Amino acid sequence: DAGVTQSPTHLIKTRGQQVTLRCSPKSGHDTVSWYQQALGQGPQFIFQYYEEEERQRGNFPDRFSGHQFPNYSSELNVNALLLGDSALYLCASNLARERSATNEKLFFGSGTQLSVL
Amino acid sequence: GDSVTQMEGPVTLSEEAFLTINCTYTATGYPSLFWYVQYPGEGLQLLLKATKADDKGSNKGFEATYRKETTSFHLEKGSVQVSDSAVYFCALRSNFGNEKLTFGTGTRLTIIP
Repeated sequence: DAGVTQSPTHLIKTRGQQVTLRCSPKSGHDTVSWYQQALGQGPQFIFQYYEEEERQRGNFPDRFSGHQFPNYSSELNVNALLLGDSALYLCASNLARERSATNEKLFFGSGTQLSVL
Repeated sequence: GDSVTQMEGPVTLSEEAFLTINCTYTATGYPSLFWYVQYPGEGLQLLLKATKADDKGSNKGFEATYRKETTSFHLEKGSVQVSDSAVYFCALRSNFGNEKLTFGTGTRLTIIP
């Protein structure tokens, strides 16, 4: 059973460019969340997608946008890249109906390391 | 807003030493509390969690107790191993229809043989 898979693993872009990161949730999961982890910091919540809609959003500008497809996979798009967008981008998945259940578990991918030059 | 303050690292211990990593939080209501671990080159993995006051989460010899009176969730292990070397993150999730996890800055733990 594959866990959460993210692609690409590494990416180098220049300022002003646009980037798309991809995530496939763990089999059976229907909810995807994205986090940004700057070097030496804890992950920060970007947004969550469920039923192809953005359910909740963190404190990130509109340059960050996302999408969820009918097969539950998701994309994170970042426009007009800034140097400060350099970070590890993590995708996490879970099953919505297990939310708040004692056996609820969020699974994280290994991330996409984005470097903006 | 919600926040997590975590013991700064890095922390270096000898094998079989006792481990404590401190974590305190600020949140409205009664959040759920988590410890996640990140091994080199891997994604975050849930280590343990507690969903209400006085609950004790435990896994792989690690324990943490949800202390509402001190707003703390300190991670402990009685005898660490080299394989415990990783970065540990304390996190919370508010229970008011909130989906996001709020993380601390992480504590890098290195165990030397």
